[in-house]
Amino acid sequence: SAVISQKPSRDICQRGTSLTIQCQVDSQVTMMFWYRQQPGQSLTLIATANQGSEATYESGFVIDKFPISRPNLTFSTLTVSNMSPEDSSIYLCSVRTSGREQFFGPGTRLTVL
Amino acid sequence: AQKVTQAQTEISVVEKEDVTLDCVYETRDTTYYLFWYKQPPSGELVFLIRRNSFDEQNEISGRYSWNFQKSTSSFNFTITASQVVDSAVYFCALSEAGGRGSTLGRLYFGRGTQLTVWP
Repeated sequence: SAVISQKPSRDICQRGTSLTIQCQVDSQVTMMFWYRQQPGQSLTLIATANQGSEATYESGFVIDKFPISRPNLTFSTLTVSNMSPEDSSIYLCSVRTSGREQFFGPGTRLTVL
Repeated sequence: AQKVTQAQTEISVVEKEDVTLDCVYETRDTTYYLFWYKQPPSGELVFLIRRNSFDEQNEISGRYSWNFQKSTSSFNFTITASQVVDSAVYFCALSEAGGRGSTLGRLYFGRGTQLTVWP
C-alpha cells in the first residue's frame, strides 16, 4: 500500500486568491493524479501529474487555473488559482502503485467565499 | 468509451441486514481493473478491493464479498450482516490496463451509492 498525506486538510479562502495543495507519498510512485469532488458528487479527474514534464489535463481543466508541479516521484502540488465559489470542493491526490492498486490521500476541503 | 454506472443512489437498511450494491461498467479494453472504495462522512476515500478483468473468481473478505461477472459487465458488492459503521458512500471505479501514456491508470468513477445502516 501507499501512505499519502495532503496539506492543508481544509481551508477557507476568499474569491480571487490562490491555494496550493501539497501531496506527499511515503514511497516512489510512477503515477500520481489529482481529482476533484464537488459537494454531493462523484470524483472527477483534473490531471495526471507527470514527473519531470507538464501535467496532462482532462477536458474542462486548464493549466492556468490548476497548475501542477511534480518535482520527484514522491511529491506533487496542485494550485487552485483565482478562486471562485464554484471551486469549493474536496481535492484529492491519488497514486497508482506497482501492484496496480490506487490509493487516495485524505483530501483537502476547500471553501471559497 | 469507459463508463461506470451505479444505479442505486441511496440504500437504507436496518442493522444485520444483508445489502448488495450494484455496479455495471462499459469499456472497450480487454484488460482492465475494477475497484470499490468507501467514503465515510469524514471524507477520505478508503480502498476496498481491486479486481483484474481476467480473474472472475469471487472474493470474500470478512463481511464483504464481491461478485464479478464479465458476461454482464457487473461487479457487485455485498455486505453481510450490515453494521452502523458501514454507513458511507460507496464508489465503484474502472481503470484501463492498456498503454495510453500518461493517462494510464486513471480511474473512471460511478456516481456512488449512499448506504445508510440504521440501528
